Amino acid sequence: DGGITQSPKYLFRKEGQNVTLSCEQNLNHDAMYWYRQDPGQGLRLIYYSQIVNDFQKGDIAEGYSVSREKKESFPLTVTSAQKNPTAFYLCASRPGTTFNEQYFGPGTRLTVT
Amino acid sequence: AQSVTQLDSQVPVFEEAPVELRCNYSSSVSVYLFWYVQYPNQGLQLLLKYLSGSTLVKGINGFEAEFNKSQTSFHLRKPSVHISDTAEYFCAVSGPLIYNQGGKLIFGQGTELSVKP
Repeated sequence: DGGITQSPKYLFRKEGQNVTLSCEQNLNHDAMYWYRQDPGQGLRLIYYSQIVNDFQKGDIAEGYSVSREKKESFPLTVTSAQKNPTAFYLCASRPGTTFNEQYFGPGTRLTVT
Repeated sequence: AQSVTQLDSQVPVFEEAPVELRCNYSSSVSVYLFWYVQYPNQGLQLLLKYLSGSTLVKGINGFEAEFNKSQTSFHLRKPSVHISDTAEYFCAVSGPLIYNQGGKLIFGQGTELSVKP
């Protein structure tokens, strides 16, 4: 089955630790995205990547980092510099066509205490 | 710049009643419009999309939406809802890649649809 996988589903960390969230897709999509979701705030874009070895900051990139070494993978690191990291994180991908429909993974809920 | 406003944060409705979830957008260029559904602790699933052509768009699970350019709206409707439609619904806007080279989506705040028996 083709799709997007995010692991783990739930993640717990202590404050001050970096943590990396996994996102893998086997849809052969060119573009990938990371969003953060907080109650009542919709989805906010953290980073996106249109091709391998290239990525751009979204609206709330501070305290996060990404890499895109392979087309299939777009991991997100939440660093200790992120002041309020507890949230639901969603990864998405988009085929390299003229249309902008995005496909979403199941999400990772990160709790930092 | 583009933006999306979902006019209702919560919509309670009884089972088998009709429902409308409202979405207004602003954009200086032509738009693509989307409705996504999110069940608790899950990712987003595409319900329907407007890219061009007919302004009435039909999606999955019996939902439909109408693109109204003059009113800059893209309201989502279903004539008879089921308990299983209880979820959060997101409206999103984007534009052609020549204006939006990242293919980014701008999301509304979401509307929680609660269907009661």
